[in-house]
Amino acid sequence: QVQLVESGGGVVQPGGSLRLSCAASGFTFSNYGMHWVRQAPGKGLEWVAFVRPDGNKKYYADSARGRFAISRSNSKSTLYLQMDSLRDEDTALYYCAKDPFSYGAGSSCEYWGQGTPVTVSS
Amino acid sequence: QSALTQPPSVSGSPGQSVTISCTGTSSDVGSYDRVSWYQQPPGTAPRLMIYDVVTRPSGVPDRFSGSKSGNTASLTISGLRAEDEAHYYCSSFTSISTLVFGGGTKLTVL
Repeated sequence: QVQLVESGGGVVQPGGSLRLSCAASGFTFSNYGMHWVRQAPGKGLEWVAFVRPDGNKKYYADSARGRFAISRSNSKSTLYLQMDSLRDEDTALYYCAKDPFSYGAGSSCEYWGQGTPVTVSS
Repeated sequence: QSALTQPPSVSGSPGQSVTISCTGTSSDVGSYDRVSWYQQPPGTAPRLMIYDVVTRPSGVPDRFSGSKSGNTASLTISGLRAEDEAHYYCSSFTSISTLVFGGGTKLTVL
């Protein structure tokens, strides 16, 4: 069955950096686009970024563009999110999610991990 | 990339039907049949309930159905059950190849 396991979250000071990872199993990782979605405490879902199956096309929310970088290693079946210049408002639970369509454009989030928490605080 | 508009809360009694709306623009909901709905009980990860406006993934009860008219999509839950109580979120693909979520709706089963 599909499994997505996020890691790398933690507490970081404003202006700091973190690198999140998402280990995938149970499907052919290299065939599917992948998303990062976050949820601030007590708030709704916010889409962060998407990467196509081959890693060549990446898309970002305005809040992430220029500070965050999504990438993937198909050989390791792992998705990454490099987060730089972190702000208080980046505090959230960060989920990785799988696109439902092989070679799809990123139109939905089919399977979700359990999330990794990121706290930005001085 | 403004969030899609959902009512903050809806409620219904067991056995009744409820409908949750999701309003976007001609740059997202109105232009693409790529609207999804997610269920999130407290303390859990979201679960995909509907994608491509009307399609249920395997394992989702047929009590859940989706539709769309113009810039507004809707999720209808019929035969309401206590276990349906959760937050529900819509999402849509957009004209700039991003995804946008709604603000979420809390469903209370009375």
